[in-house]
Amino acid sequence: GQNIDQPTEMTATEGAIVQINCTYQTSGFNGLFWYQQHAGEAPTFLSYNVLDGLEEKGRFSSFLSRSKGYSYLLLKELQMKDSASYLCAVLEGNYQLIWGAGTKLIIKP
Amino acid sequence: DVKVTQSSRYLVKRTGEKVFLECVQDMDHENMFWYRQDPGLGLRLIYFSYDVKMKEKGDIPEGYSVSREKKERFSLILESASTNQTSMYLCASSSGQQDTGELFFGEGSRLTVL
Repeated sequence: GQNIDQPTEMTATEGAIVQINCTYQTSGFNGLFWYQQHAGEAPTFLSYNVLDGLEEKGRFSSFLSRSKGYSYLLLKELQMKDSASYLCAVLEGNYQLIWGAGTKLIIKP
Repeated sequence: DVKVTQSSRYLVKRTGEKVFLECVQDMDHENMFWYRQDPGLGLRLIYFSYDVKMKEKGDIPEGYSVSREKKERFSLILESASTNQTSMYLCASSSGQQDTGELFFGEGSRLTVL
């Protein structure tokens, strides 16, 4: 069946690096998304991976391994404003996104 | 700046009432979506639309209907609200032409059914 797994909660220190993992089992694959969602706000797009490898965008990087059904989001030089939930989602067909439950990231000073 | 606007941020309704949630996007996007978001669960797709007057059921369409009479507007209707429909409702849109299919979300409508 369809399944997206990511840790429920993670804690990290300001200035440090954190890696949020996402594993997936879906019947189709047309790409993997990461979204950021601050409490009480709408999710906003962070990254999209469809080919294996690392995509870097400033302090944030996203990695994909299709053969392993695995992705991670890497956040460097953590800032307090990075405290948010991070949502992993797989595009199964043309429109159907399968979403993980999200990882709540807590940043401590 | 691109924008998806949902009509109400917070609503409180009684069981059995009819509820309308409106969503408008100003990006000329073909695709529009309604999700609900509940604690501990991933976003679940209720309905989506890829063109005016077209609609497709998502994962959890029961108890909901939608309307898309104009390209920019996608409405979610709860014919007879029930307590298990208490949730955060998120509208999103995407362009059919974009490579990534990136979704743009509205701020959400938090519905409480008493």
